[in-house]
Amino acid sequence: DTAVSQTPKYLVTQMGNDKSIKCEQNLGHDTMYWYKQDSKKFLKIMFSYNNKELIINETVPNRFSPKSPDKAHLNLHINSLELGDSAVYFCASSGDPGGNQPQHFGDGTRLSIL
Amino acid sequence: GDSVTQMEGPVTLSEEAFLTINCTYTATGYPSLFWYVQYPGEGLQLLLKATKADDKGSNKGFEATYRKETTSFHLEKGSVQVSDSAVYFCALITNTGGFKTIFGAGTRLFVKA
Repeated sequence: DTAVSQTPKYLVTQMGNDKSIKCEQNLGHDTMYWYKQDSKKFLKIMFSYNNKELIINETVPNRFSPKSPDKAHLNLHINSLELGDSAVYFCASSGDPGGNQPQHFGDGTRLSIL
Repeated sequence: GDSVTQMEGPVTLSEEAFLTINCTYTATGYPSLFWYVQYPGEGLQLLLKATKADDKGSNKGFEATYRKETTSFHLEKGSVQVSDSAVYFCALITNTGGFKTIFGAGTRLFVKA
């Protein structure tokens, strides 16, 4: 059983388009995250939701809008895609961010902007 | 602010060599410390963790000890295998500005047969 699954795995699109990435976790966790990993493997947190509520919003352009319909899902919608958005996007979840619980990651969505 | 610094890679070793990847941190309070591993084409996976000073985390032959006096959490393995080739991330959980995990920049390890 896949614990954290995100779709699609690959996304190739043109500049200016709008796209969404979906994420679902079946671990019963309360907290979910979106990260962006650049070509040098640097991992940067974008958003964190706890029980469907936004708790962390790093300095991300407002073209990026997360949506959490329930605590098992955290989708990422991106408007007006730009070349600099090309990266691998990872969804993750954890049971207790304030404690010692590690995060569980999906396999990533590789976004390529043409 | 809180941060994690780990040695730059790539690190290239021959099979059965000894591995050390250095990690130091800056944090207020007493963060929990983690090592994650990322294999090609996959997401990060927890490798080991330590939650208080002098704790030693271990898994799959890897070890790291939480050293408060030197604010370090170096990753070691006595004998690496080709299958250990991956990117390794040191991380901490901070409660500054909301609980979040701060990751180091990652260290790529190549192990040659």
